[in-house]
Amino acid sequence: GENVEQHPSTLSVQEGDSAVIKCTYSDSASNYFPWYKQELGKRPQLIIDIRSNVGEKKDQRIAVTLNKTAKHFSLHITETQPEDSAVYFCAASGNTGKLIFGQGTTLQVKP
Amino acid sequence: EAGVTQSPTHLIKTRGQQATLRCSPISGHTSVYWYQQALGLGLQFLLWYDEGEERNRGNFPPRFSGRQFPNYSSELNVNALELEDSALYLCASSKGQYNQPQHFGDGTRLSIL
Repeated sequence: GENVEQHPSTLSVQEGDSAVIKCTYSDSASNYFPWYKQELGKRPQLIIDIRSNVGEKKDQRIAVTLNKTAKHFSLHITETQPEDSAVYFCAASGNTGKLIFGQGTTLQVKP
Repeated sequence: EAGVTQSPTHLIKTRGQQATLRCSPISGHTSVYWYQQALGLGLQFLLWYDEGEERNRGNFPPRFSGRQFPNYSSELNVNALELEDSALYLCASSKGQYNQPQHFGDGTRLSIL
């Protein structure tokens, strides 16, 4: 069935370091891959997304890469700041409307 | 631009009761999605409505149902509440169909006593 595996479950970095979160999806029909940031007690916020016809996308300190062959996609955050601390979720979707979410990664950025 | 709004913020019910949760999408969005975020289980897809029709449904029992109104707002109804229904219920909206960015509301926290 449809499944998205996300690693690591927790990640602690020093301020200024880079953080990488990786996801693997099972459904080869998946063609849309968004990433959400959820701060404690707040709504999930879309931070970046990528479609299957693109291999990489950047937005300031955030980038996402997609390897369709391996069914892997990753989130890269450079020059991390304390306000980047949150739970990050990857998701995958085919033409079904539904997002299949990973289990989440708790990122802690230490000042 | 106003975001997705959900009501109520919190809802407390007892086992066997029925709950109704409401969602207003972003203006111009025609699709509404419902997700359940239970502690330790991540976000699970419940339902997708577009142009008043149910387009897809997740692996939840039939006592989870909903509808979308002509103004694109939506209701989620949960009948015969069980303890494990306690969760944050999140609504998202998007333009059109298929893989448009989904924007979430703040959710309704449903607690079953």
